[in-house]
Amino acid sequence: GNSVTQMEGPVTLSEEAFLTINCTYTATGYPSLFWYVQYPGEGLQLLLKATKADDKGSNKGFEATYRKETTSFHLEKGSVQVSDSAVYFCALSNFGNEKLTFGTGTRLTIIP
Amino acid sequence: DVKVTQSSRYLVKRTGEKVFLECVQDMDHENMFWYRQDPGLGLRLIYFSYDVKMKEKGDIPEGYSVSREKKERFSLILESASTNQTSMYLCASSFSAAGLEYFGPGTRLTVT
Repeated sequence: GNSVTQMEGPVTLSEEAFLTINCTYTATGYPSLFWYVQYPGEGLQLLLKATKADDKGSNKGFEATYRKETTSFHLEKGSVQVSDSAVYFCALSNFGNEKLTFGTGTRLTIIP
Repeated sequence: DVKVTQSSRYLVKRTGEKVFLECVQDMDHENMFWYRQDPGLGLRLIYFSYDVKMKEKGDIPEGYSVSREKKERFSLILESASTNQTSMYLCASSFSAAGLEYFGPGTRLTVT
């Protein structure tokens, strides 16, 4: 079956630091990969996605590259801001199956 | 913009009560989902629906049921609430595109 493994949090960084949140997956076939973000008190919202190998998803300064050889989809940002404090979820879905499989989430806190 | 609304942000119920959580989406999406979110466990799928009057069990359906009488509305029912159902409940909807889900703000349910 499908599974997603994220680095455990919480992660605390200073403003303007470089961010990496690791995500690896197990899936049959060629899944689509997603990062969702949940800001305090809100539901999840899609941050970025990639649908095939070597695709790079990007949004709001965040990037993630679909690496089939390492089954990874690590989230990166060059300079984080306090407003990036949130919980980040890595997820996947297989073509033809609308269900998402989520990782456990990584709580990120950015301090000024 | 897609909008997914949930009937309550916070709810407190007593053990044994019947609880209804309502979710409405305004974008004519076929697919709707109910998740619960717990610390350290991420999101777990309770039930989902691909069409009106259709429902499928997710990963943790025990103690829950659902109803989808209209395309825009998906209800989660706790027949007899128990304390281990205290959690954050998230509703989501999607069109046919695999994995692209829009989430509501969540209902934090406390069962005492």
